[in-house]
Amino acid sequence: EVQLVESGGGLVQPGESLRLSCVASGFTFSDYWMIWVRQAPGKGLEWVANIKQDGSMKQYVDSVKGRFTISRDNAKKSLYLQMNSLRDEDTAVYYCVRPKSRGFDLWGRGTLLTVSS
Amino acid sequence: DIVMTQTPLSLSVTPGQPASISCKSSQSLVESDGKTYLYWYLQKPGQPPQLLIHEVSNRFSGVPDRFSASGSGTDFTLKISRVEAEDVGVYYCMQCVQLPWTFGQGTKVEIK
Repeated sequence: EVQLVESGGGLVQPGESLRLSCVASGFTFSDYWMIWVRQAPGKGLEWVANIKQDGSMKQYVDSVKGRFTISRDNAKKSLYLQMNSLRDEDTAVYYCVRPKSRGFDLWGRGTLLTVSS
Repeated sequence: DIVMTQTPLSLSVTPGQPASISCKSSQSLVESDGKTYLYWYLQKPGQPPQLLIHEVSNRFSGVPDRFSASGSGTDFTLKISRVEAEDVGVYYCMQCVQLPWTFGQGTKVEIK
């Protein structure tokens, strides 16, 4: 089955770190750019970061630059998001997304990160 | 950043009736390759978003033909010819022509 499964969310305090993971199955992971998109509770969607197939190019929304790092392990068919210096406003469901061209055609079910003291 | 503005923000529709959502971008979504990188997604309750339309007007695989979309430059429209109960949720437009890729605020569609 073609799917993306996220994990690693949880409750952390402001200033702490956390790493999200996403495991892909059913398709050739190394053929695709990969993306993280987040959605704050009751709010809209926000693109967070992209990574090229070989990891050589990474792009971030300004609000996470310098704090978040996207990475991947093609051998493990896995995508990661290392999040440091977390803030209340980072609270969201984080979705792992596969783009086809630039359309986001495959989404995981998401993992919830809550940043609160 | 390109701002995506959707109207209306909510819509209550009688089953079988049409619905239309507008999406306007603050800048043209036409890239140098001639393509227009405008997409539509539907997020059903309790689910992740799903791709409906890619590059302005192309239905994604499996999307019913009651969904259609059009537009150019900065003005885009998603239409549902006859709304069904399964169409409820929040519809988002999104641009991928310039980083950061940005979404509209969402339009919540419910059934009367």
